[in-house]
Amino acid sequence: EAGVAQSPRYKIIEKRQSVAFWCNPISGHATLYWYQQILGQGPKLLIQFQNNGVVDDSQLPKDRFSAERLKGVDSTLKIQPAKLEDSAVYLCASSPRGGDTDTQYFGPGTRLTVL
Amino acid sequence: AQSVAQPEDQVNVAEGNPLTVKCTYSVSGNPYLFWYVQYPNRGLQFLLKYITGDNLVKGSYGFEAEFNKSQTSFHLKKPSALVSDSALYFCAVRDRNQGGKLIFGQGTELSVKP
Repeated sequence: EAGVAQSPRYKIIEKRQSVAFWCNPISGHATLYWYQQILGQGPKLLIQFQNNGVVDDSQLPKDRFSAERLKGVDSTLKIQPAKLEDSAVYLCASSPRGGDTDTQYFGPGTRLTVL
Repeated sequence: AQSVAQPEDQVNVAEGNPLTVKCTYSVSGNPYLFWYVQYPNRGLQFLLKYITGDNLVKGSYGFEAEFNKSQTSFHLKKPSALVSDSALYFCAVRDRNQGGKLIFGQGTELSVKP
């Protein structure tokens, strides 16, 4: 079974530029998560989708971050404009149903460096 | 609020010795607890989870974790460490009040020396 796919793996941009990350979850998984992992910290949830609807985006900085999950499969996370503090690894995860006992499976992440 | 604490930033053990990576939690209601491992430049890999039942949970790569409700702990253990176990380990608790997101600890760097 193929895992969660993410691209690109690495991205370097100047502050105030925009950037987009792509995620393809495990086939059949209804729930998709985007986490931000700052160096030295544990991942923090940015947004959670159930199919193509948003379940939780309470920690998404909506003035600069946006995400969508068209057709309930792939997802894109965008940052516009980027700030220095956005430098982090962006992890995508998926789970079968989003239930409390579900295991979340993570992709390899996209390492973003903002200069 | 749900929270997880990993009191040790780094754990050093010799190959062949037992290892323990500590985790304590604070939740309302019954906890759902998880351990993940992260190798350099890789995503998080699931090791094991506690949902209910037996307090000793067995997982991947010979790891196990002991759930202790009275001490609100969920320590990760392995009887005999391997050099290849060297990685970053994260404990997490399910936030059942907010859509099921995972709340992660800050991580513990495990270093196993030959």
